[in-house]
Amino acid sequence: DGGITQSPKYLFRKEGQNVTLSCEQNLNHDAMYWYRQDPGQGLRLIYYSQIVNDFQKGDIAEGYSVSREKKESFPLTVTSAQKNPTAFYLCASSMPTRSGRPSNEQFFGPGTRLTVL
Amino acid sequence: GDSVTQMEGPVTLSEEAFLTINCTYTATGYPSLFWYVQYPGEGLQLLLKATKADDKGSNKGFEATYRKETTSFHLEKGSVQVSDSAVYFCALIPSGRDDKIIFGKGTRLHILP
Repeated sequence: DGGITQSPKYLFRKEGQNVTLSCEQNLNHDAMYWYRQDPGQGLRLIYYSQIVNDFQKGDIAEGYSVSREKKESFPLTVTSAQKNPTAFYLCASSMPTRSGRPSNEQFFGPGTRLTVL
Repeated sequence: GDSVTQMEGPVTLSEEAFLTINCTYTATGYPSLFWYVQYPGEGLQLLLKATKADDKGSNKGFEATYRKETTSFHLEKGSVQVSDSAVYFCALIPSGRDDKIIFGKGTRLHILP
């Protein structure tokens, strides 16, 4: 089945540690996104990538880093510089239209809940 | 800048009640409009969308009409079920910008049996 997978579902981190969240898609989508979700605040964009080896900062990129070495993968690293990392993290991707431009619809993974102990 | 405003929750209804979740937007031109649904512990799923004025998106008994004159995209369902309990997000993609989607803060819906 085609889709987006995120792992792990739950992740615990000690203060001062970096941690990497996985996001993989087999939908042949060009664009991929990382969002952070906090209660009552909706979704906030962390980073996005429209093509391999290229990515842009979103609205809350500080304390996070990403890479896009393969089309299928867009891992997110939460660094020790992120002061309040406890949240639900969602990865998404979008497919190109026939014209080659990204389509409107984003497909989401099941999310990773990160808790800092 | 572009933004989405949706009614604050939680919204609590009895089964078979009529549902309306209001959504208004601020954007130039003709953005594409979406409703996403998030069930507990899961990611978001696209519920319906409309890409031009007066379009009506529909899915699973839910409907929303793109109203340019009132800059609104209200979500409606005639008879809700317990299984509709979830968080609903209104969203837009600005005209000419396919790289970003702007979400509202979400409205939690709780349906009582």
